[in-house]
Amino acid sequence: DIQMTQSPSTLSASVGDRVTITCRASQSISTWLAWYQQKPGKAPKLLIYKASSLESGVPSRFSGSGSGTEFTLTISSLQPDDIATYYCQQYYSYLFNFGPGTKVDIK
Amino acid sequence: EVQLVDSGGGLVQPGGSLRLSCTASGFTFSSFWMSWVRQAPGKGLEWVADIEQDGSETYYVDSVKGRFTISRDNAKNSLYLQMNSLRADDTAVYYCVRDNGYADVWGQGTTVTVSS
Repeated sequence: DIQMTQSPSTLSASVGDRVTITCRASQSISTWLAWYQQKPGKAPKLLIYKASSLESGVPSRFSGSGSGTEFTLTISSLQPDDIATYYCQQYYSYLFNFGPGTKVDIK
Repeated sequence: EVQLVDSGGGLVQPGGSLRLSCTASGFTFSSFWMSWVRQAPGKGLEWVADIEQDGSETYYVDSVKGRFTISRDNAKNSLYLQMNSLRADDTAVYYCVRDNGYADVWGQGTTVTVSS
């Protein structure tokens, strides 16, 4: 089974800051990685797929990069609406699984 | 509008059964893999089960193998999760998702509580 880890587990930043979240896979998953945003009480929302492809309708301040075992999600300028928990997910092999999440809040 | 509507959750005693349903609209349901993802209270996301377009191939997380069965009825644009021998640690919000490898469409979720 492929294990997914994320760092940090929580993150506090100011509005306008550049924010980076890291996701690591226990083995190479090429670029078969997605990122999601989840706000309290809501279903998750797809942000990024295939490591760096932006889902339609997602603001361009979100970007993804990486391949193999290490990936990053970057928010170029943090906005109040970005307060949420972010999850990575591998879809290289079944059964797909998620990282433990990174909670982002405003400092 | 592309939409998934989950239903069927509720309160059930340990050892009991429940059947979740998901109705799809706005896309060709029979062309997509479909999945169930759950989230226990205050916890992260867990991919529970997956089913191929014609239902011939399925995958389950180890913790539900032998207890849960995923199925679909393409004529009714519907996905199901039959849950038997339910345990307290099955308590969660269950989401139906469209599976492109990544989950690009999510239902609103249905809550399952296993408690005596």
